[in-house]
Amino acid sequence: GAVVSQHPSWVICKSGTSVKIECRSLDFQATTMFWYRQFPKQSLMLMATSNEGSKATYEQGVEKDKFLINHASLTLSTLTVTSAHPEDSSFYICSARVFQRVGTDTQYFGPGTRLTVL
Amino acid sequence: KQEVTQIPAALSVPEGENLVLNCSFTDSAIYNLQWFRQDPGKGLTSLLLIQSSQREQTSGRLNASLDKSSGRSTLYIAASQPGDSATYLCAVRPTAAGNKLTFGGGTRVLVKP
Repeated sequence: GAVVSQHPSWVICKSGTSVKIECRSLDFQATTMFWYRQFPKQSLMLMATSNEGSKATYEQGVEKDKFLINHASLTLSTLTVTSAHPEDSSFYICSARVFQRVGTDTQYFGPGTRLTVL
Repeated sequence: KQEVTQIPAALSVPEGENLVLNCSFTDSAIYNLQWFRQDPGKGLTSLLLIQSSQREQTSGRLNASLDKSSGRSTLYIAASQPGDSATYLCAVRPTAAGNKLTFGGGTRVLVKP
């Protein structure tokens, strides 16, 4: 089955530093990857949609200069939280879309990355 | 704007009892609906996907129904086991070409041995 990995699985950093999270599709090529954010006991909120080779599309209210997304290849997308602050502490989950034909594509989710900003 | 609601937010049952989890959505114009399982601190595992033209899907002890016109889906888990303890999320997809999933808040399930 399709596997999506994230690295690191957890990270603790000091306020003001930048943190990079990687999302990889291990056994398939993903033309689109999605980044979600999840606060404790809450659901997933879509942050941005990342297409290989083009700029990411951010959801309303998500600061693109704060959350930098790079989708450099068909198997890797990165999310960089710049100048992180305690309010950025959250669980970040990526998903990768396997496109077959319109309507049959499936999203596979990564295991998530827990970010704690001190 | 699509809104997805899951009630109850938390549920505790003794082992062996059947589980009934509810998901409602405000805009009935959906392409499909998906149920996921999330263990604490982990990612999502897809359980069942129901296309808008379908009424139900079954996989083992799991059965999901969809009533698109009333904006509701129900996930049934038969003969619950402690290993079923997790958070269950439903998500709707708006169109065939649309990528974005809108998630419900989830139902946290605890199955007591």
